[in-house]
Amino acid sequence: DVVMTQSPLSLPVTLGQPASISCRSSQSLLHTDGNTYLNWFQQRPGQSPRRLIYMVSNRDSGVPDRFSGSGSGTDFTLKISRVEAEDVGVYYCMQGTHWPPWTFGQGTKVEIK
Amino acid sequence: QVQLVESGGGVVQPGRSLRLSCSASGFTFSSYGMHWVRQAPGKGLEWVAVIWPDGSDKYHADSVKGRFTISRDNSKNTLYLQMNSLRVEDTALYYCARGYTSGSYPFAYWGQGTLVTVSS
Repeated sequence: DVVMTQSPLSLPVTLGQPASISCRSSQSLLHTDGNTYLNWFQQRPGQSPRRLIYMVSNRDSGVPDRFSGSGSGTDFTLKISRVEAEDVGVYYCMQGTHWPPWTFGQGTKVEIK
Repeated sequence: QVQLVESGGGVVQPGRSLRLSCSASGFTFSSYGMHWVRQAPGKGLEWVAVIWPDGSDKYHADSVKGRFTISRDNSKNTLYLQMNSLRVEDTALYYCARGYTSGSYPFAYWGQGTLVTVSS
């Protein structure tokens, strides 16, 4: 199984400042079809997960452009350019290249300082 | 709009069974794969099972293999998870999520979850 490792696990940030979350996979997520199936999810307190980013860098509809995804191979990053209060929650990366199983990172808790 | 509504959760003793349902609307259910994902209290997300659009193929996580079975009834737009031989460690919020179809990538839509508590 592909192991997804996120860092940091806790991220206190100041409103208006940038934030960055790293996600590393135990093997390359480049699929034989040429795509890389790495997603990012946001889970606000008491809510269901919400997909923010699919295939490394594609923002879902309605996701603010302050969220961006990048990376390749085994190293990926989610960046928030200027953190807002509504961004508080837990963020998960998930791979869908080597399935089954689909595997998630441990989650990164973003909170306001 | 896409809606996924889970039901069937509750409190059950270890070793007993439970069947979860996920009612889908707002899209052509029979065209999409469907997943179950769970989240133990205060913990992260764990993928549980997937089923193909026509039910022809299905996969389960090793942690539930042989005990849980995913199924679907496309005539009722409903996804199921039959959970047998339940263990305390199966206690979690169970989400259904929309899977893959041509031109659309999985996990874009999730239900609100249904809570399963396994306790004596």
